[in-house]
Amino acid sequence: GIQVEQSPPDLILQEGANSTLRCNFSDSVNNLQWFHQNPWGQLINLFYIPSGTKQNGRLSATTVATERYSLLYISSSQTTDSGVYFCAVELRGYNKLIFGAGTRLAVHP
Amino acid sequence: KAGVTQTPRYLIKTRGQQVTLSCSPISGHRSVSWYQQTPGQGLQFLFEYFSETQRNKGNFPGRFSGRQFSNSRSEMNVSTLELGDSALYLCASSLGVGGDEQFFGPGTRLTVL
Repeated sequence: GIQVEQSPPDLILQEGANSTLRCNFSDSVNNLQWFHQNPWGQLINLFYIPSGTKQNGRLSATTVATERYSLLYISSSQTTDSGVYFCAVELRGYNKLIFGAGTRLAVHP
Repeated sequence: KAGVTQTPRYLIKTRGQQVTLSCSPISGHRSVSWYQQTPGQGLQFLFEYFSETQRNKGNFPGRFSGRQFSNSRSEMNVSTLELGDSALYLCASSLGVGGDEQFFGPGTRLTVL
């Protein structure tokens, strides 16, 4: 089956720093989403980005579908950015998401 | 527009019991998917329902089942609970046409003692 690999697994930043999270996937996908899981467990939608580039405030994402990877950029990080970031993909014809293992981000003041 | 709702939010059961979790999707969404999250296995797909029919199923034992009603609300049931069923159960809602964005509810945290 398709493999979804996220790196790095853990990241520690000082407030104000920038970071890049990576998601590699092993097959062509119909959908790719980035989520932030808050301390209570809810998955918050960040980007729906099967291809191209999107920006939302301090966050932006790029998916290069032909090379099977996606990047999530966090600029000027804040303590509220702490948590786990997941990348999830969906294969064509299967309405289910396959998740990576996540990147655990800790932002210190 | 209201988001995805799940009830109950927390549940404590003992081994051998059964449990039913409920999910109400975003208005107009016809697909509901269920996922299990554990520290050891991460986020895993359980099943997906569309128009009251199970369309996809993950690799879980038959003790895990679900259904969807005509108003798109969905329930999942776990029978003969085991300690390993302790997890966060997340429900996702989407239009269901394939490749569309999925939105998650707050989850139900199940503890099996």
